[in-house]
Amino acid sequence: QVQLVQSGAERKRPGSSVKVSCKASGDLFNTYDFNWVRQAPGQGLEWMGGIIPLFRAPKYSEKFQGRATISADESSNTVYLELRSLIAEDTAFYFCARAVEMGPFDHWGQGTLVSVSP
Amino acid sequence: EIVLTQSPGTLSLSPGERATLSCRASQSVSGSYLAWFQQKPGQAPRLLIYGASNRATGIPDRFSGSGSGTDFTLTISRLESEDFAVYYCQQYGSSPRTFGQGTKVDVK
Repeated sequence: QVQLVQSGAERKRPGSSVKVSCKASGDLFNTYDFNWVRQAPGQGLEWMGGIIPLFRAPKYSEKFQGRATISADESSNTVYLELRSLIAEDTAFYFCARAVEMGPFDHWGQGTLVSVSP
Repeated sequence: EIVLTQSPGTLSLSPGERATLSCRASQSVSGSYLAWFQQKPGQAPRLLIYGASNRATGIPDRFSGSGSGTDFTLTISRLESEDFAVYYCQQYGSSPRTFGQGTKVDVK
């Protein structure tokens, strides 16, 4: 059974950085497309970017290009999202989601709440 | 970027009624790579439909998807109590992989 287990909630100050992890169970980790989706309180879903560990070349939404880094560690079956220069509007739940290449997001992590306040 | 517009914003219905949700794309969705998700409060989204019309594993057959090109529909044939939730469409055929803004199905 596939599971995506994310790291715990974070409280951050404006201007700082946060790194969220997502550990995947199951085989063939490096062939799947791992994505990050965020959801501000009471708002909709927003795709931030994704990575296929085998290809090591992340893709980003233009909105987060230069401020987010998505990476993968094949030795621990873990993907990461780092977001820098945090502002209050980055307060949101951050979800990781897995897909096969060019496939739908069929497995999701439980979400990580990142709160940004002075 | 493909913009997805969902309508209506809120759908107020009673259990047993039929729900019809719309998702319109600003340009043709490549390969009908269109998915529908259900999200309940405090939970991650759950995949219902992929490839515009294919039910995901374990999804009841009261959920069906249709459409192609720029117009897609999610139909719930007879609403059960557990179906009252927010529904999102998403295109995953091109980058960025955009979502619609969601349709809330609530109890009338």
